[in-house]
Amino acid sequence: AQKITQTQPGMFVQEKEAVTLDCTYDTSDPSYGLFWYKQPSSGEMIFLIYQGSYDQQNATEGRYSLNFQKARKSANLVISASQLGDSAMYFCAVSGYALNFGKGTSLLVTP
Amino acid sequence: SQTIHQWPATLVQPVGSPLSLECTVEGTSNPNLYWYRQAAGRGLQLLFYSVGIGQISSEVPQNLSASRPQDRQFILSSKKLLLSDSGFYLCAWIQGWATGELFFGEGSRLTVL
Repeated sequence: AQKITQTQPGMFVQEKEAVTLDCTYDTSDPSYGLFWYKQPSSGEMIFLIYQGSYDQQNATEGRYSLNFQKARKSANLVISASQLGDSAMYFCAVSGYALNFGKGTSLLVTP
Repeated sequence: SQTIHQWPATLVQPVGSPLSLECTVEGTSNPNLYWYRQAAGRGLQLLFYSVGIGQISSEVPQNLSASRPQDRQFILSSKKLLLSDSGFYLCAWIQGWATGELFFGEGSRLTVL
């Protein structure tokens, strides 16, 4: 069974600064995908970024980048130049026959 | 384009009452469909998934059930709700893992009193 660990239940960051949200995982699948989703207070799940386990380069999407360290089974999300609208819950997930999610990190961006 | 809809968006039900949440997907065929539940302040727990009509796999034993009567319709049901069934229920679909993204519905917030 897969296990996804997000060790930071809550994080604070000042506007315009960068922040790293941690995620480690454990899977026996030889090929898998790593995902990050954002969930604002409205409850909707917003896809942010995807990394395939065989991708050589770290994925980037605008202000989001995924710091993928396969040997360490780590897939941290880096948000550059934080904005107030980035305040939300952030979930890391790993693909199997479904997406398995971590418990999330609550990010609060302060002015 | 593909869209996914869930309803109702919110509902308040007494303990012991039945439940039916519906999810439909448009603009695609033969998707993999999923039901997740999110308890307050918690992560997403996979409840059921379906790879085709009439094919349902259950992840967690509980008093909930799921059905897929049509290719793009996924229903979550209960005959008698428990207090512990309260939560935010999300339907999701994916065409194939090569594309990477799981698409979520708007969610249904259930409060059992």
